[in-house]
Parts: sequence; structure tokens; C-alpha cells
Amino acid sequence: AQSVTQPDIHITVSEGASLELRCNYSYGATPYLFWYVQSPGQGLQLLLKYFSGDTLVQGIKGFEAEFKRSQSSFNLRKPSVHWSDAAEYFCAFTGGGNKLTFGTGTQLKVEL
Amino acid sequence: DAGVIQSPRHEVTEMGQEVTLRCKPISGHDYLFWYRQTMMRGLELLIYFNNNVPIDDSGMPEDRFSAKMPNASFSTLKIQPSEPRDSAVYFCASSLPGPGNTIYFGEGSWLTVV
Repeated sequence: AQSVTQPDIHITVSEGASLELRCNYSYGATPYLFWYVQSPGQGLQLLLKYFSGDTLVQGIKGFEAEFKRSQSSFNLRKPSVHWSDAAEYFCAFTGGGNKLTFGTGTQLKVEL
Repeated sequence: DAGVIQSPRHEVTEMGQEVTLRCKPISGHDYLFWYRQTMMRGLELLIYFNNNVPIDDSGMPEDRFSAKMPNASFSTLKIQPSEPRDSAVYFCASSLPGPGNTIYFGEGSWLTVV
């Protein structure tokens, strides 16, 4: 089945520490991959996306993600987390249509 | 651009009542999506439209749910009759055609059915 999996439901990091959120996909070809962020009471905002080319993708707010075909992964990273990064993060994919399938989300807590 | 606009932002209604959620997509976007978010099921795609035509409604949970898009700038999601298990956040989103294009989300309609 075509899907994305986010293995971590909750992650807590200290402010200033590095962050990596995991995302694995299951798809027979190269998918279109996205990371969205949702702050409390808000809609989802796109952080970055990948569909071809350079496997390291830069996004907004200092985030980046790396597409690794061999591991079927698209992990989100940030070198130094800020307290304002506390939110829920969703990985999503599409196989080529406009219909996005979302992972279950990872809730990020930032300790001051 | 004002972004995707949803109304109401919050609604509390009694079981059995009709609920209508409204959405204005970003001007020029051909695709419109309705998602539902709950703690138990996460983000689910309910239905999406292309050029006002419903393309995939396989996510609509049951006949109590219906969605329309009478024109390019307006869509509704109706629940009739509503039930407590329909309590969720309903998101409308829109995009230009093509899988690489960003899907822009509204801020959601928070529905509570008591």
C-alpha cells in the first residue's frame, strides 16, 4: 500500500539542539514528498517539498530534508531548534496526482 | 492574496442539526480539497474538486456528508444530521494543478457536536 509513516509521535528537544524528524514512505516509484507544520489552532503550512533533482531540499524557517531512495526516507532536520518551532509536523506524499496522503504527525516539544 | 478562507472558525451544535462549513479557495486555484483532522484518525482527505467537479469522494464517511462547489470561488461541506463523532477540525485547501504545486490550507473550522 502507498503510505507515509512517521515513527515518532512525540519528540522533545532542548532549545538550541539539533532536530531530526523521521518520515518513511512506501511507494513503487519516486514520490512527491512534503513536510508541513501545524501550530496550535492553525492550519498547515508547507515547510519544503521534493519531487526531483537535488536530494537535499532547503525550506523555510531554517529546515531542510534529505530524500534517500535506498532507505525510503525523507527526514526533516534543523541544526538549532528555537522555542517557536514547537508544533506538529506532518510528512505527506503523492504519487503524481494532486491528492496528498499525510502521515500521522510528530508533535515537537521544545524545552527552554 | 488572502489565502484560503474558511467559515465558521468555530461551531458548537447539537446532535441532529445540520452543519454547513464554507470555503473560499485562493483565486486561480483549480483544485479544492476538504480534509478532516481528529486525534484518532489524523488528517483524512474527504473529497477534492478539480474545476468545480468532484474528482474523488471516497473519503466521505457516509451519506450524511455532502460537498458542493457551485463556482470557482466557493465550496460547502454539509453534515446532516450531525453526530458527536463528527466533532473534528475540518480543513479546506486549494492548489494549482500539478503534483509539485503547494497545497495551501485554511485555518480550519472547529466543529463540536454535543
